[in-house]
Amino acid sequence: QQQVKQSPQSLIVQKGGISIINCAYENTAFDYFPWYQQFPGKGPALLIAIRPDVSEKKEGRFTISFNKSAKQFSLHIMDSQPGDSATYFCAARSSGSARQLTFGSGTQLTVLP
Amino acid sequence: DSGVTQTPKHLITATGQRVTLRCSPRSGDLSVYWYQQSLDQGLQFLIQYYNGEERAKGNILERFSAQQFPDLHSELNLSSLELGDSALYFCASSVGAGLGEQFFGPGTRLTVL
Repeated sequence: QQQVKQSPQSLIVQKGGISIINCAYENTAFDYFPWYQQFPGKGPALLIAIRPDVSEKKEGRFTISFNKSAKQFSLHIMDSQPGDSATYFCAARSSGSARQLTFGSGTQLTVLP
Repeated sequence: DSGVTQTPKHLITATGQRVTLRCSPRSGDLSVYWYQQSLDQGLQFLIQYYNGEERAKGNILERFSAQQFPDLHSELNLSSLELGDSALYFCASSVGAGLGEQFFGPGTRLTVL
């Protein structure tokens, strides 16, 4: 019930292309869905987040699409750049008193120059 | 730089030993979260403290314990270490008890030989 499933495990995109990473969840008690970006040797850093009452959120080249009925959300990176090469994690936060983050398994993105 | 500090950066020890990982949250943040990141389990929530009190528990082993001190820094104690405890341990902090962004520290890499 607490799982967040993320795909693909790895992704290779040409510079300027669109990177798409998908996540699915089962627990309808999740109320906040952030995406984190992690570079080697660093901790995860919040990239963009969405709440379930919104279907899309865009910040610069990064867009989250959210489908509440399907319990799926995705990250789109437009005009992907080599500097975007990193591991991306989706996450979901429970709405109960605990409110901890449950993370997806991660996607290693490589953007080729 | 997230403002969350963790020490040490690297730790190498032997099976059966005990270690202590330290985390200082961002100034003003009252919540501290501990996560374990391993290749096979991904990012797993261990435990959360809020203003000195345990707030939520995740997949934390009985051999592991944590505390948050009056100055809000936190320590994660790992005892009777096993090879499988080798992982990256991240601390994150947030302003409130669960709402708002979690800022991650750079992590402590633990190697158990």
